[in-house]
Amino acid sequence: GEDVEQSLFLSVREGDSSVINCTYTDSSSTYLYWYKQEPGAGLQLLTYIFSNMDMKQDQRLTVLLNKKDKHLSLRIADTQTGDSAIYFCAESGNTDKLIFGTGTRLQVFP
Amino acid sequence: KAGVTQTPRYLIKTRGQQVTLSCSPISGHRSVSWYQQTPGQGLQFLFEYFSETQRNKGNFPGRFSGRQFSNSRSEMNVSTLELGDSALYLCASSFRDRGHEQFFGPGTRLTVL
Repeated sequence: GEDVEQSLFLSVREGDSSVINCTYTDSSSTYLYWYKQEPGAGLQLLTYIFSNMDMKQDQRLTVLLNKKDKHLSLRIADTQTGDSAIYFCAESGNTDKLIFGTGTRLQVFP
Repeated sequence: KAGVTQTPRYLIKTRGQQVTLSCSPISGHRSVSWYQQTPGQGLQFLFEYFSETQRNKGNFPGRFSGRQFSNSRSEMNVSTLELGDSALYLCASSFRDRGHEQFFGPGTRLTVL
């Protein structure tokens, strides 16, 4: 069945780069997404990538997709304390529903 | 442009009661999806509506239902509430038919006592 996995926790120093990883099982995934959730808030769409792309860059965010290994990563350059949040990877396959990973809690320390 | 709005933001109910949650999508968006978020199960898809028709449904019991109105606003209803229904209920809307960019509302926090 469909499954999306992420590591649970990542801690980085302010100013460093953060890399959050995600693996998925559905080979028919069409779009892959990264969402950010701050405490008490909903989900904020950060970026998404179409499955026929390898990379997408958007300001401080870089998404890499390895379709062969079903591996997705989100790199945040120059990580700031305001980036502390939970980051969710999600995929949509043949339907419109999103399958989410467990989320990675990013903690940024000074 | 206003984002997705959900009402109420917080709700406390007791077991056996029923509850109705409301979602107003971004203007022009015709697809609305609902998700349940709990610490144990994470984010799980409930259902998706497009042009007043349910197009997809997740693995939830029949106590969970929804509908969409002609103005694209959506409601979800949970009957005979159980303690395990306590969760953050999130609504998302999208513009295109296939909805590849889904924007979420702030959620409704439901507590069942």
